[in-house]
Amino acid sequence: NAGVMQNPRHLVRRRGQEARLRCSPMKGHSHVYWYRQLPEEGLKFMVYLQKENIIDESGMPKERFSAEFPKEGPSILRIQQVVRGDSAAYFCASSPRQDQETQYFGPGTRLLVL
Amino acid sequence: DAKTTQPNSMESNEEEPVHLPCNHSTISGTDYIHWYRQLPSQGPEYVIHGLTSNVNNRMASLAIAEDRKSSTLILHRATLRDAAVYYCILRDGFRQGAQKLVFGQGTRLTINP
Repeated sequence: NAGVMQNPRHLVRRRGQEARLRCSPMKGHSHVYWYRQLPEEGLKFMVYLQKENIIDESGMPKERFSAEFPKEGPSILRIQQVVRGDSAAYFCASSPRQDQETQYFGPGTRLLVL
Repeated sequence: DAKTTQPNSMESNEEEPVHLPCNHSTISGTDYIHWYRQLPSQGPEYVIHGLTSNVNNRMASLAIAEDRKSSTLILHRATLRDAAVYYCILRDGFRQGAQKLVFGQGTRLTINP
């Protein structure tokens, strides 16, 4: 059973461009979480999604950030008009159900905004 | 979310036991104590969790104080691969719906060869 997959692993964007981060949860998992880790800081929750639904987006910045988890395909975290402050590691985690104790994390996407 | 307090860093020697403390004096009766760790350049990984009784698994042991206001993650025989940031996290086990993980700063564990 493959683990949580994220791609790309590294992404370089210039200011003003769009960044698309993809997350494929573990097989059989229908719950996806996105976290962001700024340099030298701890992980911060961004958004929790189930298939086709956003359940909790309390950690998402109000502008430029969006997330989706379509019926088919990976979950996507989209950042429009990136700024240097968006440079961070973005981690995706999945669980098989909402009350699952454990979240399984992917290797992360490291975004660098020039 | 109830808060946890951990030392910023700890150091130990290879093949020796390591005791990582966590204080959670405001823990509620339904909060589970979870530990995750993050190896360099990797995503966090689950280590262990418990409610009241001490817990053991292949990775570590979790010792929970009788009043539950503190806990200790025990690595019985540290290896160089155990060098990581260790996070102690409280999660309400009886709240409906999924819950985000609230990460603090964690303890950066250094293992000396």
